[in-house]
Amino acid sequence: SSELTQDPVVSVDLGQTVRITCQGDTLRSYYVSWYQQKPGQAPVLVMYGKNNRPSGIPDRFSGSRSGNTGSLTISGAQAEDEADYYCSSRDSSGEDYVFGPGTKVTVL
Amino acid sequence: QVQLVESGGGLVKPGGSLRLSCAASGFIFNDHYMTWIRQAPGKGLEWLSFISTSSSYSHYADSVKGRFTISRDNGRNSLYLQMNILRAEDTAVYYCARGGGDSNAFDIWGQGTMVTVSS
Repeated sequence: SSELTQDPVVSVDLGQTVRITCQGDTLRSYYVSWYQQKPGQAPVLVMYGKNNRPSGIPDRFSGSRSGNTGSLTISGAQAEDEADYYCSSRDSSGEDYVFGPGTKVTVL
Repeated sequence: QVQLVESGGGLVKPGGSLRLSCAASGFIFNDHYMTWIRQAPGKGLEWLSFISTSSSYSHYADSVKGRFTISRDNGRNSLYLQMNILRAEDTAVYYCARGGGDSNAFDIWGQGTMVTVSS
């Protein structure tokens, strides 16, 4: 089982704000990164580090961390944000990486 | 542009071997750790292995340790994954990604290559 936990499904109304969370003890020591994956496509990095967005990622995506929980917030969700979102961080050994089970975000 | 392209996937029998390749372009390959990640059909992402810039250090997930070997050829801007003693549960799309080591993020991904282990 994953050392990171995520809600399986989250829905948001078009234009509203949604927060996707990722919990795990290792998040107290390591930052979380977030990946967006649309059907049939490779994952795309959307957030990493303290609150860093790669080039080309809209600024409606933001990240935060508190205690053992990392969060990805989409402010003003768009239809194209409908996707699976995976968090990732180090595992308890500090050597390996682990992914959360993923959150399916539905935009209504 | 910055790009990773995997190849080498296919159908293999249980117990067989396969070697995946990942060709990098658009960036200085030997400046970056590289990683393999897989995704079984309908499932989530699973980190498999990373390798340091000079190949001096690598690490593996327990699920593939002793069966898979990661390597790279900086002269050819290429990353490899030698997969031996394949099992049905290794069936997945295999992605190469840039990152690993101190970088807790995988910022560039290939399109993936499908590996099917079946008799």
